[in-house]
Amino acid sequence: DTEVTQTPKHLVMGMTNKKSLKCEQHMGHRAMYWYKQKAKKPPELMFVYSYEKLSINESVPSRFSPECPNSSLLNLHLHALQPEDSALYLCASSQVSPDTQYFGPGTRLTVL
Amino acid sequence: ILNVEQSPQSLHVQEGDSTNFTCSFPSSNFYALHWYRWETAKSPEALFVMTLNGDEKKKGRISATLNTKEGYSYLYIKGSQPEDSATYLCASGGSNYKLTFGKGTLLTVNP
Repeated sequence: DTEVTQTPKHLVMGMTNKKSLKCEQHMGHRAMYWYKQKAKKPPELMFVYSYEKLSINESVPSRFSPECPNSSLLNLHLHALQPEDSALYLCASSQVSPDTQYFGPGTRLTVL
Repeated sequence: ILNVEQSPQSLHVQEGDSTNFTCSFPSSNFYALHWYRWETAKSPEALFVMTLNGDEKKKGRISATLNTKEGYSYLYIKGSQPEDSATYLCASGGSNYKLTFGKGTLLTVNP
């Protein structure tokens, strides 16, 4: 199984809502990632978890809160987002660097 | 070169044509170069990871080369097919799990 799954596929939320994005992999990978991708721009790294510990936070605003409950799951909790946070949020996993990162299909987020 | 840059930004070819695109990356502190293929509404699909200068990798009709001293990689597609239409992304990877992506080359193959 080389699949990374993400739910939901689409999410519309208001600026006062709290929501969560979920990502799951069953490849035994020990690194998991959140990326943000805006139209016509490359994916930008947000967070990296390595062995279930947060190893990289690319100065992401605190309204985005990652969580890694176990080695297969990665969540991104969203609270008080801004319209400019609307984007495609991609999850990925890998064994170790520089191994291939396997991506999920993404969650298309719209903040009203 | 400070960032990862790809050219051309977009490309239209006819079915059966061979084509290639370029990825330029910082050559200092190089660790790995990744190529991905990304079709609309699907997950980015990993094509190659290359680490050594002079590396050449091949997957079917797609191949890639790597020059770490001058900081570039070429992706070649032989005999393009409509199903090759996608955005091709390259990314420079470090030992700290971080990938820095280029903006991609959008390939359209016309039947």
